[in-house]
Amino acid sequence: EVQLVESGGGLVQPGGSLRLSCAASGFTFTDYWMTWVRQAPGKGLEWVANIKEDGSETHYVDSVKGRFAISRDNAKNSLFLQMSSPRADDTAVYYCARIRHGYSFFDSWGQGTLVTVSS
Amino acid sequence: QSALTQPRSVSGSLGQSVTISCTGTSSDVGAYKDVSWFQHHPGKAPKLMIHDISERPSGVPARFSGSKSGNTASLTISGLQADDEGDYYCCSYAGSPYVFGTGTELTVL
Repeated sequence: EVQLVESGGGLVQPGGSLRLSCAASGFTFTDYWMTWVRQAPGKGLEWVANIKEDGSETHYVDSVKGRFAISRDNAKNSLFLQMSSPRADDTAVYYCARIRHGYSFFDSWGQGTLVTVSS
Repeated sequence: QSALTQPRSVSGSLGQSVTISCTGTSSDVGAYKDVSWFQHHPGKAPKLMIHDISERPSGVPARFSGSKSGNTASLTISGLQADDEGDYYCCSYAGSPYVFGTGTELTVL
């Protein structure tokens, strides 16, 4: 069974930093692009970033470029999102998701981790 | 990249059908077959209902169907059941980025 479990959320001050993690199990992690999606309070889903199977290619939504960094540790079946200089509008539940191999859709999701940016 | 446009809410009675639209542009919905739909209940993981415009993952009832015409994709739910209630989001690949819809709250009367 595919499982994605996010962790690392919490309260962070504007301008601080926070690292989110996503532990993957139940599938061959190295075969899949992975992604982060977020949902701000009362808002819809927003794609944040994705990363290729071997970590050699990454893409970001414009609003986080230069501030967030997606990475992965294939030896530990883990996905990460390093959040630097977060802003209040980065407050959201952050979900990791798997991108179906050979396709461009998100076929499995975690339950999410809440990040609150506030002083 | 702007969010795809969905109706804020739709409703239907038990057993009836509803259709949720998702309007984008020629750079996203109109350009790719990679349109998917998700059901989301707050606090839970989103669930994939449709991918590649009209393909249903295993385990998703045939009551759920998808289509696309031009820059607008649609999700139709027939034979509405109580547990179909929730928020529904479309999503389109748009080159490097992905773009989600604004979300639609489905109420089953």
